[in-house]
Amino acid sequence: GAVVSQHPSWVICKSGTSVKIECRSLDFQATTMFWYRQFPKQSLMLMATSNEGSKATYEQGVEKDKFLINHASLTLSTLTVTSAHPEDSSFYICSASAGRVYEQYFGPGTRLTVT
Amino acid sequence: GQQLNQSPQSMFIQEGEDVSMNCTSSSIFNTWLWYKQDPGEGPVLLIALYKAGELTSNGRLTAQFGITRKDSFLNISASIPSDVGIYFCAGNYSGNTPLVFGKGTRLSVIA
Repeated sequence: GAVVSQHPSWVICKSGTSVKIECRSLDFQATTMFWYRQFPKQSLMLMATSNEGSKATYEQGVEKDKFLINHASLTLSTLTVTSAHPEDSSFYICSASAGRVYEQYFGPGTRLTVT
Repeated sequence: GQQLNQSPQSMFIQEGEDVSMNCTSSSIFNTWLWYKQDPGEGPVLLIALYKAGELTSNGRLTAQFGITRKDSFLNISASIPSDVGIYFCAGNYSGNTPLVFGKGTRLSVIA
């Protein structure tokens, strides 16, 4: 149980375009979803926390107008990188929780490359 | 943001050897978690610790929650090639605060 999927697993886009990444909890209802960013050989850095039906809470330094998060249902959250630039290239990982923050289940990640 | 001090940064060991890694924090946590991440994948939870002093095992893995609540260690016994990966510790203060991750320990196992 507790499976989280992400789509796509990898994406290449041109600079200036927008990219949407989906995160789904497949076998449980996720009241909270988290979006992380991971650069090569680095740790996971939390970008934002989203609760179903409400606005996401962004961490300091993360541009909410650039990284749009929608959590419209208990099984789906999306992250849209708007007007992507090469420096946005990274590994984006979502996680989902049905309860407490420390009970998070991670997705397999999405590798974004902006050319 | 806040990060945990995780060491060592990387390890090269022979198959069959035991491994030990640890995390320390300047502030207390009420939950410690250990994850493993394979290349191109998301982290997978190995062990969760909820109480100071707690010692928990999961197969060849053993982790302990330090009594000061500011540290934790993970031991892997009799390492095998599939243990290769990056191990992250994470701490959580409360159910409403974010997880804080260590920088990871990259483990390589030489057959």
